[in-house]
Amino acid sequence: RKEVEQDPGPFNVPEGATVAFNCTYSNSASQSFFWYRQDCRKEPKLLMSVYSSGNEDGRFTAQLNRASQYISLLIRDSKLSDSATYLCVVNPNNFNKFYFGSGTKLNVKP
Amino acid sequence: GAVVSQHPSRVICKSGTSVKIECRSLDFQATTMFWYRQFPKQSLMLMATSNEGSKATYEQGVEKDKFLINHASLTLSTLTVTSAHPEDSSFYICSARGEGGWELFFGEGSRLTVL
Repeated sequence: RKEVEQDPGPFNVPEGATVAFNCTYSNSASQSFFWYRQDCRKEPKLLMSVYSSGNEDGRFTAQLNRASQYISLLIRDSKLSDSATYLCVVNPNNFNKFYFGSGTKLNVKP
Repeated sequence: GAVVSQHPSRVICKSGTSVKIECRSLDFQATTMFWYRQFPKQSLMLMATSNEGSKATYEQGVEKDKFLINHASLTLSTLTVTSAHPEDSSFYICSARGEGGWELFFGEGSRLTVL
């Protein structure tokens, strides 16, 4: 079983839509979780960290469900510029180990 | 925020030659850097963890004699692809963890094409 699993998509949504991605992780002892965004042929950039209590940053909301071992990313009012691949990253309580999901591709269409 | 710079951004080389890619942390000291490769439409695959002043830790299946990693200072790690072949053509990205933090900062990536 992979450490981190994501639905590759693509998710094709119209502008203004709300879209949600999930990411499951296998190590129940994992402590740190992140969502990164990667544009085509570019390096990943941190979108947001995921805290136990959940966190929100503008149109983006991240949540952690430890019981079911998944994290989620919700994007409200999608913009064309949100089109990208969203990577789930999990740190399994080892400061120098990060596991990446395969990424979920989002296409926001006019 | 922390900045990681990678060079060159693109390189084309002939089969059999060696290519060196540099990864620098510009405004912080990085005792640990990570090297990844990414094939088209696939996720990042960790190749190795580069530790300043010691040998790199390679992931299973990554040939350490093929992909030489040197982390001679707290701000520079290099990846050398030796005797490159067309199947080594890929996007290579480095990252470093910011001082005292969990966030990974990525270099801009290096696109290698081996003819």
